[in-house]
Amino acid sequence: KAGVTQTPRYLIKTRGQQVTLSCSPISGHRSVSWYQQTPGQGLQFLFEYFSETQRNKGNFPGRFSGRQFSNSRSEMNVSTLELGDSALYLCASSLNSQGPRAYGYTFGSGTRLTVV
Amino acid sequence: ELKVEQNPLFLSMQEGKNYTIYCNYSTTSDRLYWYRQDPGKSLESLFVLLSNGAVKQEGRLMASLDTKARLSTLHITAAVHDLSATYFCAVDTGSARQLTFGSGTQLTVLP
Repeated sequence: KAGVTQTPRYLIKTRGQQVTLSCSPISGHRSVSWYQQTPGQGLQFLFEYFSETQRNKGNFPGRFSGRQFSNSRSEMNVSTLELGDSALYLCASSLNSQGPRAYGYTFGSGTRLTVV
Repeated sequence: ELKVEQNPLFLSMQEGKNYTIYCNYSTTSDRLYWYRQDPGKSLESLFVLLSNGAVKQEGRLMASLDTKARLSTLHITAAVHDLSATYFCAVDTGSARQLTFGSGTQLTVLP
């Protein structure tokens, strides 16, 4: 059973540029959520998508956006990159249906973004 | 606002010893997760605790949940070097559909 696939694994971008990260969830999982991990702030929730709808958003500026496609694959976009956006970006896949959510979250390998 | 506090943040222990990592959270929750992270790697799911009194064990690790005390523990028995990693607890509350993580406990097992 394939896991959660994130691409690319590594990215180096310049301040002011924009970047798009991709996440393919486990087959059958309809929820994808995104997290940012930095040494200073730890793991922070960005947003969650289910059936192409954003259901929840964390406390991040509007430069951070995302979307989900009909096949449940998700992308997140960061515009006008700042040095502080350098982080490991993790996506998590979950069954997370409208009913009981007993199956937990499986994380991808992450995309390490470096802004220079 | 939900807060999740782990302690200790750093733990250095000898092989063969036992120790416990604590995870306190500030609001009612019905799901608590433990993850392991190796340097430069992603999060590996260890345990999902779904109800008060839940106890799960895998190898040298045992996790428990007390929802009344809003406390989860991760107990390490007879530590071995391979357990060296950072351990995170995370709480999933109601309809929030998001995980709130603790700061992590960096565990180093010394020979």
